[in-house]
Amino acid sequence: EDQVTQSPEALRLQEGESSSLNCSYTVSGLRGLFWYRQDPGKGPEFLFTLYSAGEEKEKERLKATLTKKESFLHITAPKPEDSATYLCAVRRGVTDKLIFGTGTRLQVFP
Amino acid sequence: DTEVTQTPKHLVMGMTNKKSLKCEQHMGHRAMYWYKQKAKKPPELMFVYSYEKLSINESVPSRFSPECPNSSLLNLHLHALQPEDSALYLCASSAGTGEPQHFGDGTRLSIL
Repeated sequence: EDQVTQSPEALRLQEGESSSLNCSYTVSGLRGLFWYRQDPGKGPEFLFTLYSAGEEKEKERLKATLTKKESFLHITAPKPEDSATYLCAVRRGVTDKLIFGTGTRLQVFP
Repeated sequence: DTEVTQTPKHLVMGMTNKKSLKCEQHMGHRAMYWYKQKAKKPPELMFVYSYEKLSINESVPSRFSPECPNSSLLNLHLHALQPEDSALYLCASSAGTGEPQHFGDGTRLSIL
């Protein structure tokens, strides 16, 4: 059965304290892994797409990496405005369906 | 600001009412989606339209009826909803299968 698991469920960081979020997946025929950020009361905001193992993408303080079994979202020197829920989703095969993980709620304190 | 616009932002309706949710995008995307999101849960896919035709229906109850009048517009018609249908309803669009989906900020729906 296709499954996407994110850890930790919640993460509290001091401003400037770097860390990583994990997204583990078991899906046949991965055709893309997507990272989103969601603020309370808002829709998910697209961050990155990764298609193959070894691929990396960066945007400001965020860096996403992909292996054959998991993806990491590295946050370097986070700021309070990075506080949000981070969701990963995988696309299986040729369908247009995304399977979402349950998310990591990140809080960054000044 | 998101490039996918959803109206209304909030909707309260009784179980016997009929209402519609609207979604509009002007990015030239040819695929549009409806998702349902409950509190502290991830989005769940409901429907996918590709080139204005329904391509995926995730076994959604018939009290939810989608419509795609043209490539920029997506509607979700609601009738005889249940209290458990209260949720955030998100619309998304993408350039095509496998491309990133871009979400609107949703309609917060409450069923009395």
